[in-house]
Amino acid sequence: GAVVSQHPSWVICKSGTSVKIECRSLDFQATTMFWYRQFPKQSLMLMATSNEGSKATYEQGVEKDKFLINHASLTLSTLTVTSAHPEDSSFYICSARGDSGALLYEQYFGPGTRLTVT
Amino acid sequence: AQSVTQPDIHITVSEGASLELRCNYSYGATPYLFWYVQSPGQGLQLLLKYFSGDTLVQGIKGFEAEFKRSQSSFNLRKPSVHWSDAAEYFCAVAVYGGATNKLIFGTGTLLAVQP
Repeated sequence: GAVVSQHPSWVICKSGTSVKIECRSLDFQATTMFWYRQFPKQSLMLMATSNEGSKATYEQGVEKDKFLINHASLTLSTLTVTSAHPEDSSFYICSARGDSGALLYEQYFGPGTRLTVT
Repeated sequence: AQSVTQPDIHITVSEGASLELRCNYSYGATPYLFWYVQSPGQGLQLLLKYFSGDTLVQGIKGFEAEFKRSQSSFNLRKPSVHWSDAAEYFCAVAVYGGATNKLIFGTGTLLAVQP
């Protein structure tokens, strides 16, 4: 149980274009989803927290207009990197958290999406 | 401020040897602690967690961790390492911030296993 998927697993896009990454909780309702960014050989950096039906909460230093997050349903959150540039190339990981019991304190991670901007 | 420290950036052990990965946290309240493992190009897999109760927790793949409040530590151990254990290991603490909880991660320890 508690499986989270991400799509696509990797994507290459040209500079100036936008790319959307999907995060889905497959077997539980995720009231909260998290988006992380991971640079090579580094730890995960929390970008934003999204709650279903409300605006995402961004961490300090993360550009809201560049990284658009939508959490339209209890099983789907999307991250759109707008006007991507090479410095946005990274590994993006989402996680989901349930709304009761043990699910409230644990985060279940997706497999990640490798974004390369050329 | 809340933080997690993993002092060892890189560790190499021989297959069959024992392993201990260190983790220290800074958090004012009762911590919820986690260990995750990440293989190259993959997401994170939960190895084990501590919420309360017995301070020695058992996880998957033969891993265990011990919570020591007096030392603010949550070290990960395995008595006999297998080559497939080579990966990056992250310690994390759950932080309560208003209506939601966040995970604060350590910088990770890269484990190499030599034959």
